Amino acid sequence: NAGVTQTPKFRILKIGQSMTLQCTQDMNHNYMYWYRQDPGMGLKLIYYSVGAGITDKGEVPNGYNVSRSTTEDFPLRLELAAPSQTSVYFCASTRTGGSYEQYFGPGTRLTVT
Amino acid sequence: KQEVTQIPAALSVPEGENLVLNCSFTDSAIYNLQWFRQDPGKGLTSLLLIQSSQREQTSGRLNASLDKSSGRSTLYIAASQPGDSATYLCAVHKNQAGTALIFGKGTTLSVSS
Repeated sequence: NAGVTQTPKFRILKIGQSMTLQCTQDMNHNYMYWYRQDPGMGLKLIYYSVGAGITDKGEVPNGYNVSRSTTEDFPLRLELAAPSQTSVYFCASTRTGGSYEQYFGPGTRLTVT
Repeated sequence: KQEVTQIPAALSVPEGENLVLNCSFTDSAIYNLQWFRQDPGKGLTSLLLIQSSQREQTSGRLNASLDKSSGRSTLYIAASQPGDSATYLCAVHKNQAGTALIFGKGTTLSVSS
């Protein structure tokens, strides 16, 4: 199993551009999450999904959108990138019925200039 | 609102020392607690997960304890090694399965040889 994979690893965007961060998990987990981590800070929740077709906002959703058309994929869309979105983005997943231990991807480091 | 605090923010120790990292949370109604390790520029590696009904978990040289009533967890590292140098993050699930984790800002550990 590859676990949770994220692409790209790094990206530089200009202000106002858009992009999609990809996240895929092969563990058949129904819960998936997007977090962002700013320097010296803990992770904060952007959006989460409890299954295909179901998404909900987290603590810091402004400027982002998500969709969940399959169990495996949970892409994060940035519209009109702003410098405040410069951060490291982590995708995570877990399954119901167990300990709810979350497994994280390697992250995408995004810079908006 | 659940808040997670980790003290100290940074810690430097010589190789071989035993050490304790502290994590406190404001709302004792948690589902579980996870300790993660994060190397610079890398993703999160899950170290230990303690269910709310458990008091401690052990993995190798690591031992994590949980005292829900006082809102505290500790991560004990025995016989520290330079390879233990990393940032250690504590995170709690609210008292609802499948919810996102709420993270502390982490403790950055440096072990010198």
